[in-house]
Amino acid sequence: DTAVSQTPKYLVTQMGNDKSIKCEQNLGHDTMYWYKQDSKKFLKIMFSYNNKELIINETVPNRFSPKSPDKAHLNLHINSLELGDSAVYFCASSRTSSGPSSYEQYFGPGTRLTVT
Amino acid sequence: AQSVTQLDSQVPVFEEAPVELRCNYSSSVSVYLFWYVQYPNQGLQLLLKYLSGSTLVKGINGFEAEFNKSQTSFHLRKPSVHISDTAEYFCAVSLKAAGNKLTFGGGTRVLVKP
Repeated sequence: DTAVSQTPKYLVTQMGNDKSIKCEQNLGHDTMYWYKQDSKKFLKIMFSYNNKELIINETVPNRFSPKSPDKAHLNLHINSLELGDSAVYFCASSRTSSGPSSYEQYFGPGTRLTVT
Repeated sequence: AQSVTQLDSQVPVFEEAPVELRCNYSSSVSVYLFWYVQYPNQGLQLLLKYLSGSTLVKGINGFEAEFNKSQTSFHLRKPSVHISDTAEYFCAVSLKAAGNKLTFGGGTRVLVKP
């Protein structure tokens, strides 16, 4: 199936640990994003990569480091996890072009991170 | 900077009744407008979008929205809801500039009652 996939779906870990979330898209898109959804359902962009180049870097602690090995993958590594990092993290992708489809972002199913 | 306000955090509605979800935005430049739906424990799915042209936009699942530039609004409507429409609905904007960053409203939870 063509889609945006994320692994793992659920991640439970203790404070201070380091963890990674992986994202892959097979839609042929060239731009990928990470969003954070907090416990009140509020969604906020964290990062965006276009052709492996960082183009959006919102005010996010530097414990969060995105890595894009190629256009189809955007992973999120989090160091020294804190309680406040508990949230659902969504990966998304889009195509950069002049057509109307370029502004459509396709979202993955999310990764629910729980820090205890 | 742009911002999005969804005026209702929750909207209870009976099955087969109409529903309207309100969305207002503020931006000093032109924006693109979107409505996304999030079903329980799932990712976001695009319902519809306004980029340009006709201000009445039709989307999937019988939803439509109207862009009103003077009122900076983009309200979502459905004439007759189903139980399966129970979900969280998000209005979002992105600037007609580099980055394609989506700025979301706080969401409106629609609960359809039988």
